[in-house]
Amino acid sequence: DGGITQSPKYLFRKEGQNVTLSCEQNLNHDAMYWYRQDPGQGLRLIYYSQIVNDFQKGDIAEGYSVSREKKESFPLTVTSAQKNPTAFYLCASSNIRDEQFFGPGTRLTVL
Amino acid sequence: AQSVSQHNHHVILSEAASLELGCNYSYGGTVNLFWYVQYPGQHLQLLLKYFSGDPLVKGIKGFEAEFIKSKFSFNLRKPSVQWSDTAEYFCAVNVNRDDKIIFGKGTRLHILP
Repeated sequence: DGGITQSPKYLFRKEGQNVTLSCEQNLNHDAMYWYRQDPGQGLRLIYYSQIVNDFQKGDIAEGYSVSREKKESFPLTVTSAQKNPTAFYLCASSNIRDEQFFGPGTRLTVL
Repeated sequence: AQSVSQHNHHVILSEAASLELGCNYSYGGTVNLFWYVQYPGQHLQLLLKYFSGDPLVKGIKGFEAEFIKSKFSFNLRKPSVQWSDTAEYFCAVNVNRDDKIIFGKGTRLHILP
């Protein structure tokens, strides 16, 4: 069954802690993306990667970091430097410039 | 910078009403255009897309969109909505020089039974 998996579905973090969100795809897509979705804000791009071992900052990269060591995986770390991390995080993958396929999302809450 | 505007933030319609959701983008060159839908509790999924050819594009569940290059618009339409169309709809644009897709802020559609 092809698709994108994100884990965990819900995540709670104390202030000052880093946390890593998982994203895996088995669609053989070259490109992967991380978005943040807030009510009334749409989807805002955090980071994206077009190829293994390479990634670019999106519009709101501050306080986040990523890695792309494998084609299938694109984990996102929310660092303590992110001032307002409570949000819904979506991972997506695609062939370059084609439609994106989305995972189910991770809802992060900072306590 | 490229941008995507969705003018209707929240739309409420009765079943069987006709729907048109506006989408305008700011880039003047070649674009790929998308409409995505997010049903309550479900993944974001593609409704339809336009890359080239016939500017009237048909998608899933009876939706269609028309690309009007002169107006920089890609409005989404459905002649008769159903209660199950209640969802949030996102317009998105990819500029061919870039590998990013830019999303609008979304339109929440609520259909009254």
